This record gives sequence, structure tokens and C-alpha cells, in this order.
Amino acid sequence: QVQLVQSGAEVRKPGSSVKVSCKASGASINGYTVNWVRQAPGQGLEWMGRIIPIEDTTKYAQKLQGRVTITADKSTNTAYMELSSLRSADTAVYYCARAPIVGIGHDAFDIWGQGTVVSVSS
Amino acid sequence: DIQMTQSPSSLPASVGDRVTITCRASQSLGNYLNWYQQKPGKAPQLLIYDASSLYSGVPSRFSGSGSGTDFTLTISSLQPEDFATYYCQQSSNDLAFGGGTKVEIK
Repeated sequence: QVQLVQSGAEVRKPGSSVKVSCKASGASINGYTVNWVRQAPGQGLEWMGRIIPIEDTTKYAQKLQGRVTITADKSTNTAYMELSSLRSADTAVYYCARAPIVGIGHDAFDIWGQGTVVSVSS
Repeated sequence: DIQMTQSPSSLPASVGDRVTITCRASQSLGNYLNWYQQKPGKAPQLLIYDASSLYSGVPSRFSGSGSGTDFTLTISSLQPEDFATYYCQQSSNDLAFGGGTKVEIK
């Protein structure tokens, strides 16, 4: 069974950074893009960026450019999202989601992680 | 950036109703449009990809149509488990989600 398992909840102070992990089991991440999507309380979904692990290339949402860094460790089948200069507006549930490079759809997220709550408060 | 506008934002409905949700893009997407369902406290789940292809395991009462800038998600006969929030997502130029449509009990 293919799963994306994310790290646990985090509490941070404004101005600090947070790094969330997303470990794939049941399938290599090499055939997929790994995306990060966040959802503020009571709000909709916001795409943050993605990595293609087999190419080690990244693309970020313009709004978050300079504050978000997505990396991947192919040896452990794990992707990471680091967000810096945190502010209260970054309080959200953060999801990783994979999209097949070849196969169904074009950037269709077929498997999602369970979500990681990040709270930013002084 | 491509802007995605979903309507309505809230949709009161009853079991058995035919439900239609619309997603409009600010520029042409071809057929690069996906639909997701999200229930409270859960991650979204893929329903439809490439505007009209049903993802594996998704009930056939769900269907998608459209191309270019105008797309629809239709639930032919609403079931109790379908009360949820639905999002469209464009994958033509970067990625972006619509604002969501909450299908709630009338």
C-alpha cells in the first residue's frame, strides 16, 4: 500500500523556521513530483511548490519564493519542506502530495500525506 | 498567474439531487484541470483528472466536463457520503486551486 507519512505537529515563534518531512512507502518517489499544499484554518488549498526528485529540480509559488525550500533524499524516499521567516499567517495544515510524472493526468495529486499542523505564535 | 474561480462557494443540496459545480480559469487550460473532494479533518482525494477522466475507485456518479476556460463537476445523484468540499486545480501554468465549493445539507 502506497503511503506518504508526514512528520508531527510543530509550534514555532514568529521569525523562526520549520522543516516538515514526507516519507514515501510502497513506491519510490523517483517516478513522481512531490508537491506541498497548505490550508489555513477554515480556508482553501494553496499550492506552495514541488520537487522532481529524479531531476532534483524545484518550482515554487511566486508568493512564497525566497521563504520556501523543498528538497528530497532519494536514498530514504523522503521529501522535505522548509519555510522560513514564519509569521502568524503561516499557521496551517501542510500536506505533501505526489503526482505521477508519467501516467494519469497532468500534475494530478493521486496520493496525499496525512497533513502536519504548523502553529506560529508568540 | 492563472486565476481560478469556483462557483458557487456554498451549495445546499439533498440526497438524490443532481449537483453541478463550475470552475472558470482566467486563461485557457486546455484540459489540464483536476477535481478533488475534501472531508473535514482529512486530506483531499482525487476525483477527476484531465477535466473528464474518472480516477480509479471513484464512483461513476461523479463526472467532469469542459475544456479551455470553463469546467464542471457533476454528481448525478448525491449520496450522504458526498457532503464535502470540492476543489478544482489547474495544472497548465504552475499550479493553483479554486476557492472551493462546500456541498452541505439543505
